[in-house]
Amino acid sequence: GQNIDQPTEMTATEGAIVQINCTYQTSGFNGLFWYQQHAGEAPTFLSYNVLDGLEEKGRFSSFLSRSKGYSYLLLKELQMKDSASYLCACMDSNYQLIWGAGTKLIIKP
Amino acid sequence: SAVISQKPSRDICQRGTSLTIQCQVDSQVTMMFWYRQQPGQSLTLIATANQGSEATYESGFVIDKFPISRPNLTFSTLTVSNLSPEDSSIYLCSATTGGDAQPQHFGDGTRLSIL
Repeated sequence: GQNIDQPTEMTATEGAIVQINCTYQTSGFNGLFWYQQHAGEAPTFLSYNVLDGLEEKGRFSSFLSRSKGYSYLLLKELQMKDSASYLCACMDSNYQLIWGAGTKLIIKP
Repeated sequence: SAVISQKPSRDICQRGTSLTIQCQVDSQVTMMFWYRQQPGQSLTLIATANQGSEATYESGFVIDKFPISRPNLTFSTLTVSNLSPEDSSIYLCSATTGGDAQPQHFGDGTRLSIL
C-alpha cells in the first residue's frame, strides 16, 4: 500500500533549527513536495525534490533520499510566523499526490 | 504560479440542501482537484476534475453526492448534495500548471457547516 509517515507535532524555540522528517512508501515515485499550512488557511507550496540531495531556499531546505524513502524539511532561524502544519506529499506513478497527515510545528519564544 | 479564487469562503447550510463551490484559476491549467480537510487532519482527495468529461472520483466518493463540473480549463465547481452534519468540513480546490510533477496550488478553501 501507499503510506506517508511524519511526526504529529514538534516544538522548537525561536531562532533555533528544526528538522521535520517524512518517510514514504508509494506505488512509483515522481517527486516529493513539502507544503506549509497555517491554521485556517490553505496549504502553500514550499519545495519539491525528485533527485537525491538537498534543495535550499532561504531559511528552508529540503532533503531527499530515494533509496531510503526518506525526506526532511529543515527550517533555520525559526520565527514565530513559522508556527504551522507542514505537509509531506509524494507524487505516485499516476502523478497523484499522496498526503501525509502533517506535522504541527509549535514555536516558543 | 496560478492564482486560484474559490468561493464562497464559508457557508452555513441546512440539512438536506446542497452547496455549490466555485473555483476560478487565472490561467489555463492542466489538472484541477477537489479535496476535503477535516479540522486537524490532512487532505483527502475527493476527485480530479477533468475538462469536458466526467470527474474521476476516489474511493468513498460518488458523483451523486459530489457532482463536479469543469466546462473549461480555468473553472470548476463542486456541489455537495443532500447535506448532513458529516459533510461539515473545509473543501479545497487545487490546480497544476505546466507538465507533470508540478506543484499543486490551492484556493483559500470553503468552510462548510451544517445545521
